Amino acid sequence: GQNIDQPTEMTATEGAIVQINCTYQTSGFNGLFWYQQHAGEAPTFLSYNVLDGLEEKGRFSSFLSRSKGYSYLLLKELQMKDSASYLCAGVDSNYQLIWGAGTKLIIKP
Amino acid sequence: DAGITQSPRYKITETGRQVTLMCHQTWSHSYMFWYRQDLGHGLRLIYYSAAADITDKGEVPDGYVVSRSKTENFPLTLESATRSQTSVYFCASSEGGAANTGELFFGEGSRLTVL
Repeated sequence: GQNIDQPTEMTATEGAIVQINCTYQTSGFNGLFWYQQHAGEAPTFLSYNVLDGLEEKGRFSSFLSRSKGYSYLLLKELQMKDSASYLCAGVDSNYQLIWGAGTKLIIKP
Repeated sequence: DAGITQSPRYKITETGRQVTLMCHQTWSHSYMFWYRQDLGHGLRLIYYSAAADITDKGEVPDGYVVSRSKTENFPLTLESATRSQTSVYFCASSEGGAANTGELFFGEGSRLTVL
């Protein structure tokens, strides 16, 4: 079956760095998304990786290793507003999105 | 204003009643989607549409009906609501190309409670 695994919850300190991991098992692969979702709000797009490597966008970076079926989202210089859920989603060979259950990130002062 | 909007934002109904959730986008995006989000689950696709008059089932379509007579509107109807359909429903749109390789733009969500 197809599956996306990510930790349920993580805690980090303001100003620190946190890495949120995502492993995927999909039939075929056409890319991987990361979305941010604040409590009670809609998900918003963070990144899309289809090739191996690290892509940086300001304080956020996303990494993909297709051979390992693995991705991570790296958040630097954490701010309180980064407290949110982070959703990982893989695109399979039929271009269907397979969503993880999300990682709730708690930032402490 | 441009964007994607859902209505109602909150709805309480009773078992067996019909409920329609509305979704409207102003970008003329080709693809539109309906998801439900429940605690402990990832987003689950109910139905999607590649263009006007083209709809297809997602992962959890049972008990739901959709239509897309105009590009900008994609209503979701629960024909006879059940308690298991209590959820937060998100409508989303995407510019197109190969489905699901473009950024999804989500509406604010409709929180539905079925008593």
